Amino acid sequence: EAQVTQNPRYLITVTGKKLTVTCSQNMNHEYMSWYRQDPGLGLRQIYYSMNVEVTDKGDVPEGYKVSRKEKRNFPLILESPSPNQTSLYFCASTQGQSDTQYFGPGTRLTVL
Amino acid sequence: QQQVKQSPQSLIVQKGGISIINCAYENTAFDYFPWYQQFPGKGPALLIAIRPDVSEKKEGRFTISFNKSAKQFSLHIMDSQPGDSATYFCAARRGYGQNFVFGPGTRLSVLP
Repeated sequence: EAQVTQNPRYLITVTGKKLTVTCSQNMNHEYMSWYRQDPGLGLRQIYYSMNVEVTDKGDVPEGYKVSRKEKRNFPLILESPSPNQTSLYFCASTQGQSDTQYFGPGTRLTVL
Repeated sequence: QQQVKQSPQSLIVQKGGISIINCAYENTAFDYFPWYQQFPGKGPALLIAIRPDVSEKKEGRFTISFNKSAKQFSLHIMDSQPGDSATYFCAARRGYGQNFVFGPGTRLSVLP
């Protein structure tokens, strides 16, 4: 089944404790991105990647890191999480020149 | 700064009625305007999309109307059904490989 998977789905952590949210797609898509969703703000793009080793900042990149060492994986790294990073996070992927984004199921992160 | 504005925030419609959600943008470089549908606990899913060279696109009960001169586009859901109850997001993108910008979302409730 073609899909985007994210792990973990739920995470509660404390301020300053480094964490990684994994994202993987099995569709051989070139384009992948990370969003955060907050009430009243919709989805805001954090980082995106057009292909392996190519990443770029979205609208809200502060406090986040990403890497794209393999085509299928695009992990989101929070080196020192803070409470304002409490949010619902989505990973998405897109095939080549197609415009259709496929979203993962989301990761709900709480930073205490 | 919200690059894509969306209204209303919430909408209640009777079964069989027409649901209309409006979006407006400022950046004339946007070249792709998708609408996403999101059910609780799920990631957004592409519903329908349009490019600025056409004024209307219809897929089943869903229609996008696009007004390039006014920099506005809207989603019309005909014969709304309780199963359409979800949050709807409009979005815009500046070109392939560029980041997506989302509206804040509209929560639609269709009453049986």
